[in-house]
Amino acid sequence: SQQGEEDPQALSIQEGENATMNCSYKTSINNLQWYRQNSGRGLVHLILIRSNEREKHSGRLRVTLDTSKKSSSLLITASRAADTASYFCATDENYGQNFVFGPGTRLSVLP
Amino acid sequence: DAGVIQSPRHEVTEMGQEVTLRCKPISGHDYLFWYRQTMMRGLELLIYFNNNVPIDDSGMPEDRFSAKMPNASFSTLKIQPSEPRDSAVYFCASSGGKEQYFGPGTRLTVT
Repeated sequence: SQQGEEDPQALSIQEGENATMNCSYKTSINNLQWYRQNSGRGLVHLILIRSNEREKHSGRLRVTLDTSKKSSSLLITASRAADTASYFCATDENYGQNFVFGPGTRLSVLP
Repeated sequence: DAGVIQSPRHEVTEMGQEVTLRCKPISGHDYLFWYRQTMMRGLELLIYFNNNVPIDDSGMPEDRFSAKMPNASFSTLKIQPSEPRDSAVYFCASSGGKEQYFGPGTRLTVT
């Protein structure tokens, strides 16, 4: 079953602009994670936010979590061409150890 | 640590042949995951192990797929016989907590 669903499916912005991606999920969770995947590579963990947290920052990344709406957002500020990648959210469906990944958002940052 | 190591990186085989994919997790990690990624279906969890024991193999598509983890430093995913629809990128990931570390993947093409 598809737990996390990212929105939009694809996003194209100019360098320097902010990029916002959203993730919605269905079941109760303990943790939600965001990963990045560059073309032809494996996924790389970006940030984890726990269910009792509302916001978390890491460098140019800001993640929010709204458990009442079962949604999360990833904001990348001052985007760079190197941020071009696919971004996935992953949730521990029903508090399990395995994380279920959404279909991802393809971000293109144009120079 | 060298990260998660997968071999081979690319595999091209003919329909009906046996294919074996290999993974060496990060030392000390007690969870190992096998994923398959395609454009159509996205990232799918096939099976995961905890302390070398298979915990959930509900994602394994058919009996043609099998996975083993004989020790903490090695796992295999075998497809026999292979079919064209098995063509995909197969990722191995390991985890010592919630964050998963992905290998570079094996791109499998079955002709």
